[in-house]
Amino acid sequence: GAVVSQHPSRVICKSGTSVKIECRSLDFQATTMFWYRQFPKQSLMLMATSNEGSKATYEQGVEKDKFLINHASLTLSTLTVTSAHPEDSSFYICSARDPLQAQRPSEQYFGPGTRLTVT
Amino acid sequence: QKEVEQNSGPLSVPEGAIASLNCTYSDRGSQSFFWYRQYSGKSPELIMSIYSNGDKEDGRFTAQLNKASQYVSLLIRDSQPSDSATYLCAVRGTSYGKLTFGQGTILTVHP
Repeated sequence: GAVVSQHPSRVICKSGTSVKIECRSLDFQATTMFWYRQFPKQSLMLMATSNEGSKATYEQGVEKDKFLINHASLTLSTLTVTSAHPEDSSFYICSARDPLQAQRPSEQYFGPGTRLTVT
Repeated sequence: QKEVEQNSGPLSVPEGAIASLNCTYSDRGSQSFFWYRQYSGKSPELIMSIYSNGDKEDGRFTAQLNKASQYVSLLIRDSQPSDSATYLCAVRGTSYGKLTFGQGTILTVHP
């Protein structure tokens, strides 16, 4: 159980274009999803917390107008990188929490990640 | 001071040895502690969680938590080459709050 998927796994786009990344919880309903970014040889940095039916909460320094997050259903959150630039190239990872999992309600399950390259 | 700090690596151990990974955290109110393993190019995989002081064992892995010292560790017994990865310590301040990750420790288990 507790499987999280992401799509696409890898994307290359041109500078100035927008890219949408999907994060799905496959076998549970996730009221909260998290979006992380990881640059090479660095740790995961939380970008934003996505709550179903409400606005995302962004971490300090993350541009909410550039990284649009939509959590329209209990199984899907999307991250759109708008007007992407080469410095946005990174590994984007989502995670989700299954609040109904009695033994481990607070643990996060990570998706496989999306490698974004902006040329 | 970093919120979550891990012992500097990389760490190299021979196959069959015990690998010891350490992590300290600054927020005394932290309640949940996790160890993730991340292979190169992959996303993190949860291997241990610990919520109360003491030891928690799961197979070859033992997590140790000392809240008074704000310290959490991971021991890997009988290390295997397949254990070679980056190990990330993560801490959560409240039951449903965000995770803060350490910078990771690269572990190499050589045959």
